[in-house]
Amino acid sequence: DQQVKQNSPSLSVQEGRISILNCDYTNSMFDYFLWYKKYPAEGPTFLISISSIKDKNEDGRFTVFLNKSAKHLSLHIVPSQPGDSAVYFCAASAFISNFGNEKLTFGTGTRLTIIP
Amino acid sequence: DTGVSQDPRHKITKRGQNVTFRCDPISEHNRLYWYRQTLGQGPEFLTYFQNEAQLEKSRLLSDRFSAERPKGSFSTLEIQRTEQGDSAMYLCASSLDSFMYGYTFGSGTRLTVV
Repeated sequence: DQQVKQNSPSLSVQEGRISILNCDYTNSMFDYFLWYKKYPAEGPTFLISISSIKDKNEDGRFTVFLNKSAKHLSLHIVPSQPGDSAVYFCAASAFISNFGNEKLTFGTGTRLTIIP
Repeated sequence: DTGVSQDPRHKITKRGQNVTFRCDPISEHNRLYWYRQTLGQGPEFLTYFQNEAQLEKSRLLSDRFSAERPKGSFSTLEIQRTEQGDSAMYLCASSLDSFMYGYTFGSGTRLTVV
């Protein structure tokens, strides 16, 4: 039962353009969401997060949007740079609703390739 | 501080053997997590410690798996009687107080069971 879904296994974007990575979830108890980036032979690196009380969070070139009614979130990267080429994982937790549950449920990832 | 360290980076073992992995978290981090990642999948939660207490354990973790964090510092993950299905990347992560600002992951231990 895949509770967090990233339906696009790969995405290619021209350098300088916007990259949009999508994530859908099924568990309505999820109330905290994170994006991680992973380079080969390294562990995932935290990028940005959002609580369910917000619908947008921005950090530099990265913005995460949350649509609770659609159970959908997206990560926007503007402008895209060659160093952004990596696998991006969406993750979710039922943290607030489940008394501080620390478990993260990850999606299967999207491989982003930035074309110079 | 060099981040989260995991040892070994790679382990090849024969089916039925026991293996043990070590994780050294960032020194001031009181929370430590173990995840497993197989090819084409995202990391799957295995277990979580706050200091030396193991607070949660996934149903994925069979009786062959055990994790410890003595004295709330480094942690070990042991797999007994390994099976080919145990082949995966085992990731350790740590955080201070809460994951809400993101875990810091190690580079993982890749286990291959032959």
